[in-house]
Amino acid sequence: SYELTQPPSVSVSPGQTARITCSGDAFPKKYAYWYQQKSGQAPVLVIYEDDKRPSGITERFSGSSSGTMATLIISGAQVEDEGDYYCSSTGSSANFLFGGGTKLTVL
Amino acid sequence: EVQLVESGGGLIKPGGSLRLSCAASGFSFSKARMSWVRQAPGKGLEWVGRIKSETDGGTTDYGAPVKDRFFISRDDSGNTLFLQMNSLRIEDTGMYYCTTIHRDYYFDHWGQGTLVTVSS
Repeated sequence: SYELTQPPSVSVSPGQTARITCSGDAFPKKYAYWYQQKSGQAPVLVIYEDDKRPSGITERFSGSSSGTMATLIISGAQVEDEGDYYCSSTGSSANFLFGGGTKLTVL
Repeated sequence: EVQLVESGGGLIKPGGSLRLSCAASGFSFSKARMSWVRQAPGKGLEWVGRIKSETDGGTTDYGAPVKDRFFISRDDSGNTLFLQMNSLRIEDTGMYYCTTIHRDYYFDHWGQGTLVTVSS
């Protein structure tokens, strides 16, 4: 069965570009999806189908995918972007996968 | 505006049962595929299960940890999603989120969650 692997933490200074990776055999056959979860809140979809941004999501967020790795890119990261980020994809048989999550710190 | 409001969480002893509800509004619930996702305290997200619309057969699928213990159902006349949880274990403790699913690919709307604590 597929698994998705993320680094536990990423740290950047304000204004820098943050890159959060997600590796797994599900890619490139399957799309990658990214969710942001701020402390005490429900997750929010920030990227779908590898690189598409839902309406209302800041242009700072973008995504890419190559080979067995998908990447969430936060350009000019701000303090308000801090939180946990989860990649997701669909599995081989009607199931959904999440990566273990990456804690983004901007300071 | 899409709204999903979960209820029914609480403290339950191991081996017990609990039924969660999710009241939906702001979209055509009967046409939507719906899911439950959970999160243990301080841990990551875990998919629990999914139910298709009645038009698509109303079938359900579950994650391995809950298969044959948890059951998802829906009441389209009342715009409500349910999660029946049986034979609860300590490791079932966590926040349970109700979500909509877009085309079986991603979770596009989330409720605020209801907390389930399994403890003796």
